[in-house]
Amino acid sequence: DIQMTQSPSFLSASVGDRVTITCRASQSIGHYLNWYQQKSGKAPKLLIYGTSNLQNGVPSRFSAIGSGTDYTLTIDSLQPEDFATYYCQQSYRTPLTFGGGTKVEIK
Amino acid sequence: QVQMVESGGGVVQPGGSLRLSCAASGFTFNIYGMHWVRQAPGKGLEWVAVIWYDGTQEFYADSVKGRFTISRDNSKNMLYLQMNSLRVEDTAVYYCAGQEMATIRGQGTQVTVSS
Repeated sequence: DIQMTQSPSFLSASVGDRVTITCRASQSIGHYLNWYQQKSGKAPKLLIYGTSNLQNGVPSRFSAIGSGTDYTLTIDSLQPEDFATYYCQQSYRTPLTFGGGTKVEIK
Repeated sequence: QVQMVESGGGVVQPGGSLRLSCAASGFTFNIYGMHWVRQAPGKGLEWVAVIWYDGTQEFYADSVKGRFTISRDNSKNMLYLQMNSLRVEDTAVYYCAGQEMATIRGQGTQVTVSS
């Protein structure tokens, strides 16, 4: 199975900050990397698919890049509604595997 | 607009059965493999099962192998998960995932296994 290592697992930031979350795959996964935002008690919300494609309706302050084994999600100018847990997911090979999550909390 | 709507969850006793459904729309269902993914309370996301686009192959997580069966009806754009011999540790929200990047799009359905 492809292991997804996400860091940091916890992040404390202020409104307006620029935040970066990284995800590393145990082997090359091409562009098959998705990012989700999850708020407490809610379903994961797709933010980015295929490494860098912004899902419809997602604010442009979210962006992502990556290739091979290393991927990053960036949130420019963190907003109050962005405080949540973020997950990466690889879909290059079955089984689908997910990062352990990054909880973004208010400083 | 891509939609996946999960249903069929509920409360069941250990050893019981449930059948989950996922209604897909907004994409060409019959050309993509489809997955089930679950999330136990306070935990991360865990892959459960996959079925090939034409239903000819299925694969399962070790934790559910022999107890769960994934199936699909391409004429109805529907995905299913038959869950038998349920255990307390199967308690989770279950999501379907699919399309090219195997993304989760729905709200999930809650399965609670408790005596």
